[in-house]
Amino acid sequence: SQQGEEDPQALSIQEGENATMNCSYKTSINNLQWYRQNSGRGLVHLILIRSNEREKHSGRLRVTLDTSKKSSSLLITASRAADTASYFCATVPLTGANSKLTFGKGITLSVRP
Amino acid sequence: DGGITQSPKYLFRKEGQNVTLSCEQNLNHDAMYWYRQDPGQGLRLIYYSQIVNDFQKGDIAEGYSVSREKKESFPLTVTSAQKNPTAFYLCASTPGKPSNYEQYFGPGTRLTVT
Repeated sequence: SQQGEEDPQALSIQEGENATMNCSYKTSINNLQWYRQNSGRGLVHLILIRSNEREKHSGRLRVTLDTSKKSSSLLITASRAADTASYFCATVPLTGANSKLTFGKGITLSVRP
Repeated sequence: DGGITQSPKYLFRKEGQNVTLSCEQNLNHDAMYWYRQDPGQGLRLIYYSQIVNDFQKGDIAEGYSVSREKKESFPLTVTSAQKNPTAFYLCASTPGKPSNYEQYFGPGTRLTVT
């Protein structure tokens, strides 16, 4: 079962623009994580945000979490061609099976030079 | 270099054959995971292990088997009972539970069964 649902499914922007990707989930979470995957490669962890946090930054990345709306967003500022990849959100439930992540289907981001 | 290695990168098998995918980590992580990725499906959990000699089924364990005899190794066997084995397989590890830690992924093995 997939907990996180990303939106949009695909995004194409010009280099230098900002990219905003959204993730919604259904059940209460312990934390939410964002990952990046370049074509044919493994996933790379970007940011982990806990349920008691509202915003985190890492370089050009900004993640927000709204637990009342059960949603998160990932903002990439001043995008570069190298940001072209698939981006996934993943959640850890608050109770029960908190030994595993549940991934969404991902967002394909294309950054045009 | 510390990290997770998966071998081989590409694997081809005939239908009806069992095949074992390798996953090794030298990060001293306790927990290891196997995921399957199909186009448009995201990642789905096959099996995971939080400690040596113990493992649990994930969401799509049917047709797969694993072992965890050593902390650094978590091989996955795709058996002939798996109806659609062609996919991209990813191994991951964490120092502990995902409630506290992010996952570290290997480069993946693309399995094609004909």
